[in-house]
Amino acid sequence: TQLLEQSPQFLSIQEGENLTVYCNSSSVFSSLQWYRQEPGEGPVLLVTVVTGGEVKKLKRLTFQFGDARKDSSLHITAAQPGDTGLYLCAGPGGGYQKVTFGTGTKLQVIP
Amino acid sequence: EAQVTQNPRYLITVTGKKLTVTCSQNMNHEYMSWYRQDPGLGLRQIYYSMNVEVTDKGDVPEGYKVSRKEKRNFPLILESPSPNQTSLYFCASSPMTSGTSSWGNEQYFGPGTRLTVT
Repeated sequence: TQLLEQSPQFLSIQEGENLTVYCNSSSVFSSLQWYRQEPGEGPVLLVTVVTGGEVKKLKRLTFQFGDARKDSSLHITAAQPGDTGLYLCAGPGGGYQKVTFGTGTKLQVIP
Repeated sequence: EAQVTQNPRYLITVTGKKLTVTCSQNMNHEYMSWYRQDPGLGLRQIYYSMNVEVTDKGDVPEGYKVSRKEKRNFPLILESPSPNQTSLYFCASSPMTSGTSSWGNEQYFGPGTRLTVT
C-alpha cells in the first residue's frame, strides 16, 4: 500500500492569514487529488494534478505537484472562515483501481 | 439531482448483530467504493467495484462484505459487527475512463453513515 502523509495534522489561523499544507510520500504517484470535507458531509474534489511540477489555481487556493511526483502542496492566500474543513490528498493506492487517502489536515479559520 | 445516498445515516447496534448499509447512485457510474474514516487515519478504502458483479478488496476489507448486483447499488454488509468497526462510513462513485480506469476522475461521496457497535 502506498502511503500519503499530510502535515500539519491541525492548523488554526486567523482570517486573512496565508497557509500551506503538505502531502508527502516515499512513492511516485501518477497523479494526486485534493479534497475538502466539511463537518457532517462527504469529501468534495478540489483539484487533480497529473504532471510533475504542475501548478493549478482555484481562486485563493494554489496546488502544486512536486517535480518528482512524490509530494504536493496546497497554499491558501488570505484564508476565510469558509475555508474551514478537513483537507485530504488522495492518490492511486497500489492497485490500478485502489485509492489511498492521506491522513488529512484539519483547518480552522477564526474570524 | 446527481447524488449518492446512504442509509441509514446513524446506526447504533450490538456486537454480532448483522447489518447492512445501503448505497445508491443515480449517475450511472461504473465505479463504486466504500471507505471508513477514523480520527487521525484519514479515509481507508474497504472494498471497491468496477462494475456489476466485479468487486475487489481495498486496504481494510476484514469483517466486511459487499455485493454489486445492480449498477446503481453497492451495499456494505457487516455479518458480525464488532466494536472496532465503530466508525464513519462513506460510499462513493466515479465514472470509468475509456472503460479501463476510474483513477483521476472525481469521486462523488455520500453523506456518510455513523456506526456505533457496542
